[in-house]
Amino acid sequence: QEQLVESGGGVVQPGRSLRLSCAASGFTLTTYAMHWVRQAPGKGLAWVALISYDGSDKFYADSVKGRFTISRDNSRNTLYLQMNSLRADDTAVYYCASSIVVAAAFDYWGQGTLVTVSS
Amino acid sequence: QSVLTQPPSTSGTPGQRVTISCSGSNSNIGSNPVNWYQQLPGTAPKVLIYSNNQRPSGVPDRFSGSKSGTSASLAISGLQSEDEADYYCAAWDDSLSAWVFGGGTKLTVL
Repeated sequence: QEQLVESGGGVVQPGRSLRLSCAASGFTLTTYAMHWVRQAPGKGLAWVALISYDGSDKFYADSVKGRFTISRDNSRNTLYLQMNSLRADDTAVYYCASSIVVAAAFDYWGQGTLVTVSS
Repeated sequence: QSVLTQPPSTSGTPGQRVTISCSGSNSNIGSNPVNWYQQLPGTAPKVLIYSNNQRPSGVPDRFSGSKSGTSASLAISGLQSEDEADYYCAAWDDSLSAWVFGGGTKLTVL
C-alpha cells in the first residue's frame, strides 16, 4: 500500500532551522514530482514547494523563497524540506504529496508533521 | 487572501445537491486544469477531482467537477452526512510559477 510518512516536526525558536523528511513506502518516488503543502492552525491549505522527479526543477512559494530548500534522495526514497530563518507564521502542519508530473494533481498525501515556531 | 476564491461555507440537507464555486484568472484556471481536494476533519487532504472533471477510482459519482473560462465548480449530489468536510480547489499559476489553492469551503450537512 502506497504511503508517505513525514517526520522532523517540532517546536523551534524564531530564526532557527529545521529539516523535514518524507519517506515513501509501497512505491518508489523516483518517477514522481513531489510537493510540500502546509496548513496553519485553523487555516486553509498553502502550497510551499515542489521538485521534479529527478530534482532538476524546483519551485517555491514567495513566502518561503530564499529560506526553504526542497531536495530529494531517490536512492533513499525520501523527500526533504530544509527550513531556515523560521518565523512564527511558518507554524503549520506540513504535508508532503506526490504527483505524476509537476503540473498534475497531488495523488498521495502524508499524514503531516506539525512545526511550531515559538520562543 | 487566496489567489483562487471560494465561498467560506455552504450547507445542505441529506439527499440535496450542493455546488461549490472556485474563481480564478487567466493565468491559473483560465490556462490550466483544476483539481479539487476533500479534507475530512482531522485528516490529510485527498484528491476528489482532477483535470477539471475526472474522478480517481473510489470516488463516488455523486461528485462531479466542471470548468468554464476562469471559474470552476464542484457539485455534490445526493448529499450524505459523511460528505461534511472542507473542500479546496487548486490550479497551477503560469504567472507565479506556483500552485495556488482556494481558501477552502466548509460543507455542513444539516
